[in-house]
Amino acid sequence: QKEVEQNSGPLSVPEGAIASLNCTYSDRGSQSFFWYRQYSGKSPELIMSIYSNGDKEDGRFTAQLNKASQYVSLLIRDSQPSDSATYLCAVNHDTGRRALTFGSGTRLQVQP
Amino acid sequence: DGGITQSPKYLFRKEGQNVTLSCEQNLNHDAMYWYRQDPGQGLRLIYYSQIVNDFQKGDIAEGYSVSREKKESFPLTVTSAQKNPTAFYLCASVGGYTGELFFGEGSRLTVL
Repeated sequence: QKEVEQNSGPLSVPEGAIASLNCTYSDRGSQSFFWYRQYSGKSPELIMSIYSNGDKEDGRFTAQLNKASQYVSLLIRDSQPSDSATYLCAVNHDTGRRALTFGSGTRLQVQP
Repeated sequence: DGGITQSPKYLFRKEGQNVTLSCEQNLNHDAMYWYRQDPGQGLRLIYYSQIVNDFQKGDIAEGYSVSREKKESFPLTVTSAQKNPTAFYLCASVGGYTGELFFGEGSRLTVL
């Protein structure tokens, strides 16, 4: 079973701090990696995608990928209370069916 | 505006009844997916379809059925054979080769 692992949290950070969310995956052949944000009772929304080793920045968000260590992370700078949500890591294990395997999510709480 | 529409948003069902969840997209996407989410858990793949008139089982297909008669539509039937159907059901689609999933707003099914 191909797996995606995340710490369930909650991860609590003060407003303005950097939140660091981590994810590991089991399949070395994985090619595509995504971070989704999910507010309580809502559907997931895509916030970042990353396909090659290194960092990718988009506004306050930075995704980091290390394929050798099978590790992907998301950094949120200047965290805001509105960032409080569950963050889901998703990996495309099987390019044939183009379906994503999701981790169970990390709940982030940003304290005002 | 383009998007994915799921209905109904909330549904209550008695044990032993079949129910059908609707999913319609106007994004002209070829591939469509159904995921299930239980409280505090990630998303698990039920069924997917990469082209009209073709669909494949995902990781938890037992007790579910789908059809794909039109590109825009991918309804999911939760049958009485599904032992624990109470969950949040999410429909998604993928348009290009990046693998990014876009989700509808979800349907919350409760079995009474």
